[in-house]
Amino acid sequence: VQLQESGPGLVKPSQTLDLTCTVSGGAISSDSSYWSWIRQPAGKRPEWIGRIYTSGTTNYNPSLESRVTMSLDMSKNQFSLKLTSVTAADTAVYYCARSPLIPGWWEYWFDPWGQGIPVTVSS
Amino acid sequence: EIVLTQSPDTLSLSPGERATLSCRASQNVNSNYVAWYQQKPGQAPRLLIYGASGRGTGIPDRFSGSGSGTDFSLSISRLEPEDFAVYFCQHFGTSPFPFGGGTKVESK
Repeated sequence: VQLQESGPGLVKPSQTLDLTCTVSGGAISSDSSYWSWIRQPAGKRPEWIGRIYTSGTTNYNPSLESRVTMSLDMSKNQFSLKLTSVTAADTAVYYCARSPLIPGWWEYWFDPWGQGIPVTVSS
Repeated sequence: EIVLTQSPDTLSLSPGERATLSCRASQNVNSNYVAWYQQKPGQAPRLLIYGASGRGTGIPDRFSGSGSGTDFSLSISRLEPEDFAVYFCQHFGTSPFPFGGGTKVESK
């Protein structure tokens, strides 16, 4: 499975960041995995934003939950991220990643990751 | 919320040497739910280690993880030129699945 992020690299403050992750090498609809978004400001640690399961169930980082929406488009084998009311603090490289559901585990690591897309919030 | 602190910030070593990186959690965590990732400049993090001893796809056995409670470590038995990178630990047992601040392994 491979993942590829796409979307605008520049977003104005107060607007909505809208990114898509395209999955290749397997169908999301038949893959028992969580599909996550993770961001990493330059020189800092990664931060998990949230995830969506094949059923459409979502879980979000409480620190971002009020501004985040994720969705799936199985016909295009894609999932997406919307982050509203962005500020300069949202400037980061945004990654999508897969967490395969492995029997015997209750939570899962991130593997693989997409190559990442840099997003700058600036007017 | 669990906070992960990695040390040292930078480790300067020569190829062939052994590297030991530390990750300390702010509270006890299940060692089965600690992962390590490698990140090279301009690239996404890559899974190295998950759980007590699992390795990501294609990860050589010179990489190993250990630890329990609040103290965890990643060891690289003999550094290869391609191992010079930044390494992050992560606790994936509970949301929001925090990462450590990273340790840079640089060539001396």
